[in-house]
Amino acid sequence: DAKTTQPTSMDCAEGRAANLPCNHSTISGNEYVYWYRQIHSQGPQYIIHGLKNNETNEMASLIITEDRKSSTLILPHATLRDTAVYYCIVRPDYGGATNKLIFGTGTLLAVQP
Amino acid sequence: KAGVTQTPRYLIKTRGQQVTLSCSPISGHRSVSWYQQTPGQGLQFLFEYFSETQRNKGNFPGRFSGRQFSNSRSEMNVSTLELGDSALYLCASSLLSGSGELFFGEGSRLTVL
Repeated sequence: DAKTTQPTSMDCAEGRAANLPCNHSTISGNEYVYWYRQIHSQGPQYIIHGLKNNETNEMASLIITEDRKSSTLILPHATLRDTAVYYCIVRPDYGGATNKLIFGTGTLLAVQP
Repeated sequence: KAGVTQTPRYLIKTRGQQVTLSCSPISGHRSVSWYQQTPGQGLQFLFEYFSETQRNKGNFPGRFSGRQFSNSRSEMNVSTLELGDSALYLCASSLLSGSGELFFGEGSRLTVL
């Protein structure tokens, strides 16, 4: 599975957009980019995933560069409740064979009041 | 609808004992995965079950085992506990195997003394 590189920590002001980068320069053509987050003392929460095109849902937007070597998760209006560790995961299309995820160390996003 | 339920939430065991953790997936979900989270190793995949069959297994010793029942509920067992088994054990369910979109429970925190 392709490896990802994320900053260890980031700060963001409440109400501003939080932009979390992820580098995945060795990503292969059939590998998706997934984002999860883990709020303290809770289980991880799925946020969004994409292959090539930018994706948006009610939680966030995912911007994937044209060469697919990096991506950015955008939380449009960060709140204190968005303080969490954010994991960027590159995952092959296993063709339905498994749900296995390989988590890295993630980025601790601290939203400041 | 109810989320993933894990029991017990907290437990303390001593070295050499065994422990069984339980996971009830979201209704209708047939895939259940287990993860171990420690400060040193982060989130690590243990195993995945789908329709009572183990689909995938992580790099853990044979002391770690699991099973899934016909109602999709799952249990994991750790025998001959070691101090290093102290961790948060997370269960995740998914409608199908292969989606990568997992719903995690809040975990069972095991302390081995």
